[in-house]
Amino acid sequence: DVKVTQSSRYLVKRTGEKVFLECVQDMDHENMFWYRQDPGLGLRLIYFSYDVKMKEKGDIPEGYSVSREKKERFSLILESASTNQTSMYLCASSPPRVGYEQYFGPGTRLTVT
Amino acid sequence: QKEVEQNSGPLSVPEGAIASLNCTYSDRGSQSFFWYRQYSGKSPELIMFIYSNGDKEDGRFTAQLNKASQYVSLLIRDSQPSDSATYLCAVKTDYKLSFGAGTTVTVRA
Repeated sequence: DVKVTQSSRYLVKRTGEKVFLECVQDMDHENMFWYRQDPGLGLRLIYFSYDVKMKEKGDIPEGYSVSREKKERFSLILESASTNQTSMYLCASSPPRVGYEQYFGPGTRLTVT
Repeated sequence: QKEVEQNSGPLSVPEGAIASLNCTYSDRGSQSFFWYRQYSGKSPELIMFIYSNGDKEDGRFTAQLNKASQYVSLLIRDSQPSDSATYLCAVKTDYKLSFGAGTTVTVRA
């Protein structure tokens, strides 16, 4: 089974702090993704990566950056956390097959106060 | 217009009935279509995917795709209380998946 893990289930940070969210997958998938999920807005893509050191902006990249130094690890960085970044953050990975089905980690619920 | 729209729900069905979930998408170039189930407080898990027009069955679940109408649906037969969850439709276009907002299904005993 595909296993995607995220570093924290719950995180509380203060406004202005730098926040790192880590994601690791163990299936040698090329593609990795970061989403946020908010009530009524569904899942929105922040960034994705299709190879080591490669990254592409998703639909809502503002206020975020990412890092992918190793194939199995994809980090989301909030340079200066703000209260409107309070959300559930979900990491996903997928193989490069045509299907592109994505497998999700358990999520990190981030609260910025 | 949103890229992926789902019937808003919530949808309440009696145990043993068929739950029918609908999804429309705007991009005719979309290639693959996915249904995810998400329990409250949990992350989405893949139920099934479909690429070609027609029906695809997997156990109690049937996905139906009509590319001409830009429509994909999910039928859950013999609904069980454990099927109570939010169901997300996702559509692949180019490199990414676009998700609908989800339909919440409640199966009442």
